[in-house]
Amino acid sequence: GAGVSQSPSNKVTEKGKDVELRCDPISGHTALYWYRQSLGQGLEFLIYFQGNSAPDKSGLPSDRFSAERTGGSVSTLTIQRTQQEDSAVYLCASSPGTLEREGDSYEQYFGPGTRLTVT
Amino acid sequence: AQSVTQLGSHVSVSEGALVLLRCNYSSSVPPYLFWYVQYPNQGLQLLLKYTSAATLVKGINGFEAEFKKSETSFHLTKPSAHMSDAAEYFCAVKREGNEKLTFGTGTRLTIIP
Repeated sequence: GAGVSQSPSNKVTEKGKDVELRCDPISGHTALYWYRQSLGQGLEFLIYFQGNSAPDKSGLPSDRFSAERTGGSVSTLTIQRTQQEDSAVYLCASSPGTLEREGDSYEQYFGPGTRLTVT
Repeated sequence: AQSVTQLGSHVSVSEGALVLLRCNYSSSVPPYLFWYVQYPNQGLQLLLKYTSAATLVKGINGFEAEFKKSETSFHLTKPSAHMSDAAEYFCAVKREGNEKLTFGTGTRLTIIP
């Protein structure tokens, strides 16, 4: 079946512009995550959506970053007034909402990422 | 806070040799542990995961990892390296009730022909 897809695959933008990154999770997955991968910071958690619950935004680095998930499926990560330090690969992941068995853990399936370059 | 340490940002092994990638975690309770692989310009792919069912976990592509509570370690091994194993490998930890993954800094594996 189709995996997690992200668009665009590459985005070059000028400092100060807003960007939107899109994530299409695996059909039926109720949980969706955004991570950022950069040379200086490694892989960092940004935000997590689970069903209709309030998202966990604890990883967002500043108020310039926001994300929404419409209809429990597609998610958009928005970065306003981009800065050069925002340059990174933004990874989206999704996971099923039902544990396979007690004591198990959801497996997160990752998309290919969006490479953002701020000039 | 939950964290994970990967020793060695770069590891080189000869084709056919043992692969050993090290991961240590810090946690007050046994966490969930994962190894992911990332090939160039691709996303992360799960190799294997530890969720308390068994301490020796077998994954894809011949990899396995052993959870050792006494050493707080979850090292990744493969008996015989293949050229196709060249990639970056990430160890990650997750606490029950908190869905975010905390990743190590990664180990880039190079296979020498």
